[in-house]
Amino acid sequence: DAGVIQSPRHEVTEMGQEVTLRCKPISGHNSLFWYRQTMMRGLELLIYFNNNVPIDDSGMPEDRFSAKMPNASFSTLKIQPSEPRDSAVYFCACGGRGNEQFFGPGTRLTVL
Amino acid sequence: AQSVTQLDSQVPVFEEAPVELRCNYSSSVSVYLFWYVQYPNQGLQLLLKYLSGSTLVESINGFEAEFNKSQTSFHLRKPSVHISDTAEYFCAVSFTGFQKLVFGTGTRLLVSP
Repeated sequence: DAGVIQSPRHEVTEMGQEVTLRCKPISGHNSLFWYRQTMMRGLELLIYFNNNVPIDDSGMPEDRFSAKMPNASFSTLKIQPSEPRDSAVYFCACGGRGNEQFFGPGTRLTVL
Repeated sequence: AQSVTQLDSQVPVFEEAPVELRCNYSSSVSVYLFWYVQYPNQGLQLLLKYLSGSTLVESINGFEAEFNKSQTSFHLRKPSVHISDTAEYFCAVSFTGFQKLVFGTGTRLLVSP
């Protein structure tokens, strides 16, 4: 298994542009989590899904952020419009038995 | 509310010295406990976990952690560190019946020669 796959690995965009981050979880893991990591705020849970259904989106910072999971093998996190304060590393993780989570390599987003 | 506290933001240590990274949690229900490691420019990797059974758990690279229910702690230890152990270490807890993990703020371990 290739583990959790995230794309792109790096994204540089200008303020106001739409950004879409993608995640392919490990097959058979039925929960999926999106996190954001910055120096100032550390690791923050944005949203998580169970069996493709959003369970808790209380960490989504504002309406500019949205996440979808159309099927068990794919999820997206979209920011529209993007702002410089959205610059961070965004991680996708999926959940296994025993509540452990397996993280992807992250997408480093820079909004100019 | 459930929370995880990692008191030390940074721990400098010399190579081959022992180290302990502290983690305390607050919860009134049963918990699962985890340590994750993050190397520079990488994602978090599961280092070890406590789900049930023996309170002492070990990783494949020499780290161990002990679940202490009375002190609500899950400290991470290694008797002799290597330069390659330099990384950020995160303690996390989840509560039985819930999939969400609550992470501590992380401890940066700096191993120097």
